[in-house]
Amino acid sequence: EVQLVESGGGLVQPGGSLKLSCVASGFTFRDYWMNWVRQAPGKTMEWIGDIKPDGSNTNYAPSVKNRFTISRDNAKSILYLQMSNMRSDYTATYYCVRGWFHYWGQGVMVTVSS
Amino acid sequence: DVVMTQTPPSLSVAIGQSVSISCKSSQSLVYSDGKTYLHWLLQSPGRSPKRLIYQVSNLGSGVPDRFSGTGSQKDFTLKISRVEAEDLGVYYCAQTTHFPPTFGAGTKLELK
Repeated sequence: EVQLVESGGGLVQPGGSLKLSCVASGFTFRDYWMNWVRQAPGKTMEWIGDIKPDGSNTNYAPSVKNRFTISRDNAKSILYLQMSNMRSDYTATYYCVRGWFHYWGQGVMVTVSS
Repeated sequence: DVVMTQTPPSLSVAIGQSVSISCKSSQSLVYSDGKTYLHWLLQSPGRSPKRLIYQVSNLGSGVPDRFSGTGSQKDFTLKISRVEAEDLGVYYCAQTTHFPPTFGAGTKLELK
């Protein structure tokens, strides 16, 4: 069974940083593109970015480029999202997603507030 | 960015009824490989989204055949035949043909 379990969410001040993790199991992690998608409260989804299976290439939404970094550890089957210089409109549930929205984690809440 | 416009914003249905949800994109979703990367997701209350249909009409694994997707170019439809209680929630269309991937605003399916 495919499982994606995010962690690392919480409250962070504007301008602060936070790193999310997503532990993958039930499939060969190193074979798949992985994505991060977020959903602000009561809103639709917003794609944040993705990373190639071998980690050699990443793509980001313009709204987070230069603020967010996606990386992965294929030996440990873990996906990461490093967020910096955060803004209040980054408050959302962040999802780890395999491929083009095939499998989703349970999500982790991030609140940016002073 | 490609704008995905879903209608209606909400639907009130009775169990057993059939419904359709429309999704229109601001650009053609046909990719250079000839495929159309339009997907449908369901987010049940308090849950993570689940992919129902990929590439317009392909049913995801374990998805009942009460769900069907049709459409082409810029105009797509999700049909649910004989709605069941477990089908309630918010439906989203999403495109991954153009960068960046974008989602519709959602259609909330509620019980009448």
